[in-house]
Amino acid sequence: RKEVEQDPGPFNVPEGATVAFNCTYSNSASQSFFWYRQDCRKEPKLLMSVYSSGNEDGRFTAQLNRASQYISLLIRDSKLSDSATYLCVVYPPFNSGGYQKVTFGTGTKLQVIP
Amino acid sequence: GAVVSQHPSWVICKSGTSVKIECRSLDFQATTMFWYRQFPKQSLMLMATSNEGSKATYEQGVEKDKFLINHASLTLSTLTVTSAHPEDSSFYICSARDQARFNEQFFGPGTRLTVL
Repeated sequence: RKEVEQDPGPFNVPEGATVAFNCTYSNSASQSFFWYRQDCRKEPKLLMSVYSSGNEDGRFTAQLNRASQYISLLIRDSKLSDSATYLCVVYPPFNSGGYQKVTFGTGTKLQVIP
Repeated sequence: GAVVSQHPSWVICKSGTSVKIECRSLDFQATTMFWYRQFPKQSLMLMATSNEGSKATYEQGVEKDKFLINHASLTLSTLTVTSAHPEDSSFYICSARDQARFNEQFFGPGTRLTVL
């Protein structure tokens, strides 16, 4: 099983639609989770952190399900400008050598259609 | 706040040349920086974790003698691609970890390397 898995998409949705992405992770002891957004040929930009209690920022809601080991991102009222690739990032625990390998999902591509 | 710069943005070089890329955290201290590589239509691949004042930790399959990393200060890490070859052409992105902000990573704008 991959450390972090995402459906690559693409998800093609009309403007105004609600869309949700999931990201599963294999290490149950993982500590921190984030969603990033990456536009074509640009660097990733932090979208939001994912807290155990859930996190909402405007049209975006992120949730963590530790029991099933996945995080989700919900986008309401999709805009054309939301078209991008959405990456989940998982921080596992530090290993015995004090090293923490941060793992990115492969990303889910979203295309919002007029 | 939390700005990371990367220089240069674009590099075109001949095969066999060594290329140095700088990554700077402009308004915070970063004890840890990360170097990623991204090929077209693929995800970010972590190359190495750069720790200030100590040796970098390289991911499996990444040659440490080819990709030299130096993290000499809390705001600067450098990646040197030695004896670059066309297969090294890629988008190299660094990120810096701000431990004051719940370990969020902030990315530099990336360096697009083309080796002829």
